[in-house]
Amino acid sequence: DGGITQSPKYLFRKEGQNVTLSCEQNLNHDAMYWYRQDPGQGLRLIYYSQIVNDFQKGDIAEGYSVSREKKESFPLTVTSAQKNPTAFYLCASSIVGGNEQFFGPGTRLTVL
Amino acid sequence: GNSVTQMEGPVTLSEEAFLTINCTYTATGYPSLFWYVQYPGEGLQLLLKATKADDKGSNKGFEATYRKETTSFHLEKGSVQVSDSAVYFCALSPPGNQFYFGTGTSLTVIP
Repeated sequence: DGGITQSPKYLFRKEGQNVTLSCEQNLNHDAMYWYRQDPGQGLRLIYYSQIVNDFQKGDIAEGYSVSREKKESFPLTVTSAQKNPTAFYLCASSIVGGNEQFFGPGTRLTVL
Repeated sequence: GNSVTQMEGPVTLSEEAFLTINCTYTATGYPSLFWYVQYPGEGLQLLLKATKADDKGSNKGFEATYRKETTSFHLEKGSVQVSDSAVYFCALSPPGNQFYFGTGTSLTVIP
């Protein structure tokens, strides 16, 4: 079955540690996205990529980094510079120029 | 600019009640409009969409009509079920791929 996988589903880290969230898709989509979801604030765009080896900052990129070395993969690193990293993180993908985004199941990150 | 404003929740309804969740938007150009649904602890799933003015999207008994004159895309369902309990997001996508989401409306349906 085609789809988007995110792992792990739950992640716990100590304050000051970097952590990397995985996102993989087998939909053959060129575009991939990372969103952060906080209660009552909807989804906010962190980074997006429309082609391998290229990506752009979204609305809240500070404290995050990404890479896009393969079409299928778009990992997100939450660095120690992110002031309030506890949140639900969603990965999505789409065809470039398409008008629907497909979402993964999300990773809930808790920083202790 | 582009933005979406949707009705604040939470919304609580009895089973078989009529549902309306309001959504209005501002956009440059001619965006596509979407409703996504999120069940607890899960990602978002596309519920329905409309790509041009006067289009009606529909799925699983939910409907929404793209109203350019009122810049609205209100979600409706004639008779809700307990299984419809979820968070609903209105979104727009102007040509070029970026999505803009509303803040979400939580719906709880009680038997």
